[in-house]
Formats: sequence, structure tokens, C-alpha cells
Amino acid sequence: AQKITQTQPGMFVQEKEAVTLDCTYDTSDPSYGLFWYKQPSSGEMIFLIYQGSYDQQNATEGRYSLNFQKARKSANLVISASQLGDSAMYFCAMRAVVHAGGTSYGKLTFGQGTILTVHP
Amino acid sequence: KAGVTQTPRYLIKTRGQQVTLSCSPISGHRSVSWYQQTPGQGLQFLFEYFSETQRNKGNFPGRFSGRQFSNSRSEMNVSTLELGDSALYLCASSLRGLEVSTEQYFGPGTRLTVT
Repeated sequence: AQKITQTQPGMFVQEKEAVTLDCTYDTSDPSYGLFWYKQPSSGEMIFLIYQGSYDQQNATEGRYSLNFQKARKSANLVISASQLGDSAMYFCAMRAVVHAGGTSYGKLTFGQGTILTVHP
Repeated sequence: KAGVTQTPRYLIKTRGQQVTLSCSPISGHRSVSWYQQTPGQGLQFLFEYFSETQRNKGNFPGRFSGRQFSNSRSEMNVSTLELGDSALYLCASSLRGLEVSTEQYFGPGTRLTVT
């Protein structure tokens, strides 16, 4: 079974500062993907960044970077130079693929989310 | 390119009724997944369809069902609605089946309220 844990229900950060959102995961699958999504109050989930379990380097996408520590099973999201528009709920998610009956399928397992508030 | 669209955006139903939600994936995408989001349970996977076939299903009762049409549009049906079915229902599409690295694109969701 897969499990994602986000221990920070809420985080506050000053505009232009960096912030780290924590995520730990548990899986017995050797191959998996880790994702971060942003969900503004409008409800739509916006993809931010992806890290594969076999990737040697930490993923980066603009102001977003993923601090991937495989041995500790953590995949923290770092947002640099926070902006007011970054205020939202952030979800960490994981996907492993199940192979059965000649086909393969996977689903995203989400953490509980962290509400980030950026202060001016 | 148009994103994932979901209709309706908001819905109010009475306990015991049934409801059908619709999702139109991004053009060319063949996989559609549905998720339920509630304050108490968070985001939970409902099911995934690929080329009109349900390939994976979450731990939800049989009252929750879905289907996918030949144009990849998908519908989700909930029968005999319960108060606990009040949630934001999110649809996500992807170009191919759900491999480890597959990026899914989410729609804006349908907010269902059951009274």
C-alpha cells in the first residue's frame, strides 16, 4: 500500500522568502513517481513538479524545486522567492504502477495537503 | 488547446437522488480518472478509464459508477445519494495510461452538495 504524509496543516511565509513544504511517503514498489500539485481556492489542481524514484538529480521547475531524499523517503517542495499568488493548498502525491492481467495501471495517492499563506 | 472541462460546476441534490457528472478530457487524451475530495478524507481515487475500459477502481461502494465514451468523454454516476457524498469531484486526463511518470491534467471540479 502507498501512503503520503504531509505533517504541516498550514504554513506562513513572508513574500520574497523561501519556504519548504514537507512530504514523506511509504511504498514497497521500487519504481514510483512523486508529484506536487497546487490547488487555489478555485479548486483546480495545478501540476507543479515531478520526481521519479530513479532520477539521480532533484527536479526543478522555475521557482519550484524538489528536495528528494530517497533513503529517508521524503520529497519536500521548496518554493523560492514566494509570491502572493502562491497562497494555496499544496498536495504531495505518489504513483506506483500495478501490473496485472497483462495490463498496467496506476493511481495517484495524495497527502492531506498543506495550506500555504504568503504575507506581504 | 482547451483544458479539461467538467459540467456542471455546482450541483445541489437531495438525499436519495442520483446524479451524473461529466468530464471532457483534453483533446487526444485517452485516460480519464476521477477523484473525490472532502475535508475529512482528503483526495481519494475513484476510478480510471482508458479507451472505454475501466482499468482501476478505488474503495468506493457500488453506488459510484462511471463510463467512458468513444470520444474519451467520461461520466460518473452516483446513485442513492447520501449526505457524505457531498464533495468536490475532480476529473483528470492524460495522454496515455497511468504510468509512473504520467502527468495528469485536472479539471476545475464539480462541487456536489447533498441536502
